[in-house]
Amino acid sequence: EDQVTQSPEALRLQEGESSSLNCSYTVSGLRGLFWYRQDPGKGPEFLFTLYSAGEEKEKERLKATLTKKESFLHITAPKPEDSATYLCAVQVDSGGYQKVTFGTGTKLQVIP
Amino acid sequence: DGGITQSPKYLFRKEGQNVTLSCEQNLNHDAMYWYRQDPGQGLRLIYYSQIVNDFQKGDIAEGYSVSREKKESFPLTVTSAQKNPTAFYLCASSIGGFQETQYFGPGTRLLVL
Repeated sequence: EDQVTQSPEALRLQEGESSSLNCSYTVSGLRGLFWYRQDPGKGPEFLFTLYSAGEEKEKERLKATLTKKESFLHITAPKPEDSATYLCAVQVDSGGYQKVTFGTGTKLQVIP
Repeated sequence: DGGITQSPKYLFRKEGQNVTLSCEQNLNHDAMYWYRQDPGQGLRLIYYSQIVNDFQKGDIAEGYSVSREKKESFPLTVTSAQKNPTAFYLCASSIGGFQETQYFGPGTRLLVL
């Protein structure tokens, strides 16, 4: 069974304190990994798509990386406005059957 | 502005009642999806549609129904058969199928009276 695990469940950082969020996966036939940001009571907002091990993408203070077993979302010098829940999702193609499996998210709080 | 709209933002359902959640997109995307989000759980796929007049069940389709008569619209009906409908419902769309990035609407929160 495909599994996506995000850790930690919650993370509290001081403003400017860099850290990383983890998304580990056990799937067969990984085709892509997606990162989203979700604010309370709103829909997820797309951040990145990664397709192959070694790939990296950056956007402002965020950098996403991908290995064969996990992805990291690095947050450099976070600001309070980075507070949100960060979701990862993996897209798999198993014998022609495609689906996307979401993790439960990491809730990030950045304190001024 | 291109995007996905969902209405209403909040919806209240009485016992035994069917309710319909609206999802409209003007991104010219072929594929549309419905997810359910519950606290402490990942998003779970209810139904998806890759082309007009065609849709497939996701992981938790029981108690739900959909239609896809227009490319822009993918309404979800929560029937009385869904015994635990209280959740946050999210609609998404993508250019193609699951391999493409999905873009989400703002969500509808369904509560049971």
